[in-house]
Amino acid sequence: AQTVTQSQPEMSVQEAETVTLSCTYDTSENNYYLFWYKQPPSRQMILVIRQEAYKQQNATENRFSVNFQKAAKSFSLKISDSQLGDTAMYFCAFMKLNAGNNRKLIWGLGTSLAVNP
Amino acid sequence: GAGVSQSPSNKVTEKGKDVELRCDPISGHTALYWYRQSLGQGLEFLIYFQGNSAPDKSGLPSDRFSAERTGGSVSTLTIQRTQQEDSAVYLCASSLQRGWDSPLHFGNGTRLTVT
Repeated sequence: AQTVTQSQPEMSVQEAETVTLSCTYDTSENNYYLFWYKQPPSRQMILVIRQEAYKQQNATENRFSVNFQKAAKSFSLKISDSQLGDTAMYFCAFMKLNAGNNRKLIWGLGTSLAVNP
Repeated sequence: GAGVSQSPSNKVTEKGKDVELRCDPISGHTALYWYRQSLGQGLEFLIYFQGNSAPDKSGLPSDRFSAERTGGSVSTLTIQRTQQEDSAVYLCASSLQRGWDSPLHFGNGTRLTVT
């Protein structure tokens, strides 16, 4: 069975600074996706960034980038130039590729990020 | 609407009552998922619909939980004889079926409180 671990329940960062959120996972699968989702107080899960396991290049989306270390099963999220709107819960999630096209996600417990002015 | 719509937004019910939670996915999205988000337990997968059928219902915690989907669109999650441990946010998500690049789109969830 797959597990996802986020070891930082809470973090804070000053506006305009950089912060890194940690995520490790355990799987015996070789083909999978990893995701970071953001959940603001509205409760809606918003996709921040995703990484296909077969790609060696780290994914980047504007101020968000990941450090994907497949052998170490590590998938950290770096937020550069933090903005007040980045304040939210951040969840790391794992999805294995399967014949049924089932996008079932296995989730970490989340990291609450506060961006301070 | 353009997004996944869930209703009600909040529901308070007495222990032992039945509740129905509704999810209206994005038009054209054939895949639909229900997740439960409990305090201290994170998000748990409940069920996956492909069209009107549910090839994966492995996450339903007990036989008090059931879900259906009609017309390949709206889905209803029903919890019978609610218990206090059922209190949680229930999230629905939908996606296109083709290709692994199609992302999941989530609704705002229903917060269920069982008193």
